[in-house]
Amino acid sequence: EDKVVQSPLSLVVHEGDTVTLNCSYEVTNFRSLLWYKQEKKAPTFLFMLTSSGIEKKSGRLSSILDKKELFSILNITATQTGDSAVYLCAVDSGGGADGLTFGKGTHLIIQP
Amino acid sequence: EPEVTQTPSHQVTQMGQEVILRCVPISNHLYFYWYRQILGQKVEFLVSFYNNEISEKSEIFDDQFSVERPDGSNFTLKIRSTKLEDSAMYFCASSEVGRSPYNEQFFGPGTRLTVL
Repeated sequence: EDKVVQSPLSLVVHEGDTVTLNCSYEVTNFRSLLWYKQEKKAPTFLFMLTSSGIEKKSGRLSSILDKKELFSILNITATQTGDSAVYLCAVDSGGGADGLTFGKGTHLIIQP
Repeated sequence: EPEVTQTPSHQVTQMGQEVILRCVPISNHLYFYWYRQILGQKVEFLVSFYNNEISEKSEIFDDQFSVERPDGSNFTLKIRSTKLEDSAMYFCASSEVGRSPYNEQFFGPGTRLTVL
C-alpha cells in the first residue's frame, strides 16, 4: 500500500521565522510529488516535483525532492501570518489519471 | 484564472437519502477526480474519470457511489443511500493531462456533506 508521511503534524512559529516541512513516501511506481496549501477549504497547488535535486521556487517558498531517500522538503522563509495553513504532500504513483495519495498534512501556525 | 467550481457548498441530508454533488471542472481539462476528507483526517482518493468512463477507483468507492458527466461541463458524484460515515468534505479536481508523468490536479472549494 502506498504511504505518505508528513512531519511535523503541527508547528507553531513566529512571524519572520523559517520553517521546513517534511514529506517521506513509499510508493510502488513514483511519478511525481506535489505540495498543496489548504486554508479554509480547497487545497491549492504549490509545486510539483519529478526530478531529484532540482529546487522549485516561488517567492518565499521552495521545495526539493530526493528520490533516492524518498523524501521532499518544503521551505518557507520569512514567514507571514498569511502562511498559516495545512500543507499537504501528495504522491502520484499511478501515472496520470489515477488518484493522488495524500499525507495527513502539517498544520502550520504563524504567530505575529 | 480558470478554476474548478462545486455546488452546493454545504449539503445536509438524512441517512438513507440520495445526494448528488456537482462539479464544473476547468474547461480544457480532460481528467476528473473526486476525493473526500473526513473531518480531522487526510484527503482520500475516491475515483478518477476520463473519456466518459471510470479510470480508477479506490476501495472506498463502492456500489453506493457513481459518477457521471451528464453534459459537456458538469461532473457529478452520486451517493445512493447515504450513511452517517459519508459525512465529509468532498473535493472535485481536474487535470489537463492524465497518463503521463505530469498530473497537476486543481481542486475545487469542496462540498461539505452532513448526514444526519
